[in-house]
Amino acid sequence: DTGVSQDPRHKITKRGQNVTFRCDPISEHNRLYWYRQTLGQGPEFLTYFQNEAQLEKSRLLSDRFSAERPKGSFSTLEIQRTEQGDSAMYLCASSPPTAGGGNEQFFGPGTRLTVL
Amino acid sequence: GDSVTQMEGPVTLSEEAFLTINCTYTATGYPSLFWYVQYPGEGLQLLLKATKADDKGSNKGFEATYRKETTSFHLEKGSVQVSDSAVYFCALVNTGGFKTIFGAGTRLFVKA
Repeated sequence: DTGVSQDPRHKITKRGQNVTFRCDPISEHNRLYWYRQTLGQGPEFLTYFQNEAQLEKSRLLSDRFSAERPKGSFSTLEIQRTEQGDSAMYLCASSPPTAGGGNEQFFGPGTRLTVL
Repeated sequence: GDSVTQMEGPVTLSEEAFLTINCTYTATGYPSLFWYVQYPGEGLQLLLKATKADDKGSNKGFEATYRKETTSFHLEKGSVQVSDSAVYFCALVNTGGFKTIFGAGTRLFVKA
C-alpha cells in the first residue's frame, strides 16, 4: 500500500500526559499537512511542511503542540500536557511538488485521540 | 478570512433521486475549489476539483461548476446510488497557498 499512513490509529490517554503521532506520506510527495477534525465538523488546518521546513502554522496550534519533519520524509505531531479539548481525529495529508495550490491532497486514515 | 459554507445534513434520498449539495465560499483571492468524500470507515478522498472560474469538475457521475459570480460550487448527481452514502466536504485552497479550508460536511444517506 503506497498511501499515507498514520500511527497509531487510536490513542487513549489521561489528561496531562504527552502523546506523539507519526505520519508517513506518499514517498514522492514533498508537502505534508496536519489537520484536526472534531465530530460533525470539517478538518481544520494545523500546520504544513514543504520538505523539512515548517512553512505555516495555524493559531490553533498552541504552544503545547509541536510538529517536526526532520528529514523531509515522515512527520511527528506531539501534544504536551493533553487536555480533554484535544480529543479529536488528527489527520495527515501529503501532496506532490506542483506549482500553486490546485493540487489534490492525499489523506491518511487519521489518529483518533481520546483524552480522559 | 477564507471560509466555506455548505448545506447542513443529513440529506436522505431514495436511490435514483437527484442530488444537490450547496456550497458557497468566501475568499480574498482566486481559490481552487474541491469536493472531498469520506465513505464510512475510510479516509478523506478527492471527488472532484475546479481551479478557475467556469471550470466544471466531474467524477463518478458527480459534477460541480465553479461560479465566481455567485461564489458557489454546488455538487450535483443525476441519479444517486446506495453506495454514494457518505459525508461530502466542500473545500478551497486560496491563490498561492497550500492549506485547505473545509466546510463542515454534509452527510448523505441513500435508501434502496
